[in-house]
Amino acid sequence: QQQVKQSPQSLIVQKGGISIINCAYENTAFDYFPWYQQFPGKGPALLIAIRPDVSEKKEGRFTISFNKSAKQFSLHIMDSQPGDSATYFCAPWGQETSGSRLTFGEGTQLTVNP
Amino acid sequence: DAGVIQSPRHEVTEMGQEVTLRCKPISGHNSLFWYRQTMMRGLELLIYFNNNVPIDDSGMPEDRFSAKMPNASFSTLKIQPSEPRDSAVYFCASSLRISLRSGNTIYFGEGSWLTVV
Repeated sequence: QQQVKQSPQSLIVQKGGISIINCAYENTAFDYFPWYQQFPGKGPALLIAIRPDVSEKKEGRFTISFNKSAKQFSLHIMDSQPGDSATYFCAPWGQETSGSRLTFGEGTQLTVNP
Repeated sequence: DAGVIQSPRHEVTEMGQEVTLRCKPISGHNSLFWYRQTMMRGLELLIYFNNNVPIDDSGMPEDRFSAKMPNASFSTLKIQPSEPRDSAVYFCASSLRISLRSGNTIYFGEGSWLTVV
């Protein structure tokens, strides 16, 4: 579980601002880097994911940046909205880890103030 | 399109009682996972099945916990006897593993909120 370190633990952003959440990992066998989003009372759901053959992936207001040499990847939320308030988890995965086990980060609680 | 279905959504039970949580994965998915979420420990993988076979149960806390998957469309997580420290949200999740190379999107249910008093 300690193979993945997520920061910050909590983040407060004003509406329209940029939210940035970071994830550092140790296992070089990881080759799939997703972010999950969880709203209160719901299960986590895949938000966006990246493979290590690209350094950045953008889907709408959400961008993943990947730095293979630093073993880090981050989630950027542009023009943050109150509806983005949720807990975000990084969950890197690799085919050499035991089967399909996902290693979840500790989570970042994002609050976007109106 | 039905997602992962869990029951019960909420359960309050007394210490020492048996608790059974149920899960119906997404049809066609070949992997099933049981996670536990608490404020202190975050999301923990308890056990996962591939093609109904338990692959890794190293996350199961102790012998009081057991999980079964008798067929591709049903799984249970049982706690006997339950203790207050078992109070948590238990998530069932499923995925379709296409190949070793494919990414593994996991689809979570809405969770079973367990309180042991």
